[in-house]
Amino acid sequence: GAVVSQHPSRVICKSGTSVKIECRSLDFQATTMFWYRQFPKQSLMLMATSNEGSKATYEQGVEKDKFLINHASLTLSTLTVTSAHPEDSSFYICSARDLAGGNTGELFFGEGSRLTVL
Amino acid sequence: GQNIDQPTEMTATEGAIVQINCTYQTSGFNGLFWYQQHAGEAPTFLSYNVLDGLEEKGRFSSFLSRSKGYSYLLLKELQMKDSASYLCAVRDNGGYQKVTFGTGTKLQVIP
Repeated sequence: GAVVSQHPSRVICKSGTSVKIECRSLDFQATTMFWYRQFPKQSLMLMATSNEGSKATYEQGVEKDKFLINHASLTLSTLTVTSAHPEDSSFYICSARDLAGGNTGELFFGEGSRLTVL
Repeated sequence: GQNIDQPTEMTATEGAIVQINCTYQTSGFNGLFWYQQHAGEAPTFLSYNVLDGLEEKGRFSSFLSRSKGYSYLLLKELQMKDSASYLCAVRDNGGYQKVTFGTGTKLQVIP
């Protein structure tokens, strides 16, 4: 299947600082990527849809000024958690869909980034 | 929007068969996925249904009834390594074809 790479896998930061997470599609182009957040023992919650060359589309309740998304190329989307606070500590996972090759259009996920805000 | 329900936890015996159910209510349906997720890892794709019926893939099978808003994942010949969370996810038919995940079912396989 298609490969999505996410970096960093773990990050610890101080409250009030900003953290950037990168998501790359390694062997395909992704005009759309999705960012999810997962709290312990809960399922994945869609935060936003990242669109190459245009503004991201945020889900209800997700602050666009706090979670900045930039999709500058067909293989890279970044999520920046600005002014992070302890309640932002979570597992952030990006995903993309490889529309070429006749697959089912399933989402391929990055490895995830575990953010801990002290 | 999407509303997707699954049992929270299940326990089954090694070598047995287990069925994990998923019910959904959606404003626009364009396919249902099952993913497996081990603790601390990203989900991995298991199966996809868009038409009614059963899709079989080795030890895993998935069933869909669109009229009932119902799907199940069937795992046969359970192995200890199958202990994981199983996520039901529904894709909508909007422009971005967003995928919404259910609450997930944590399966424990016991000897």
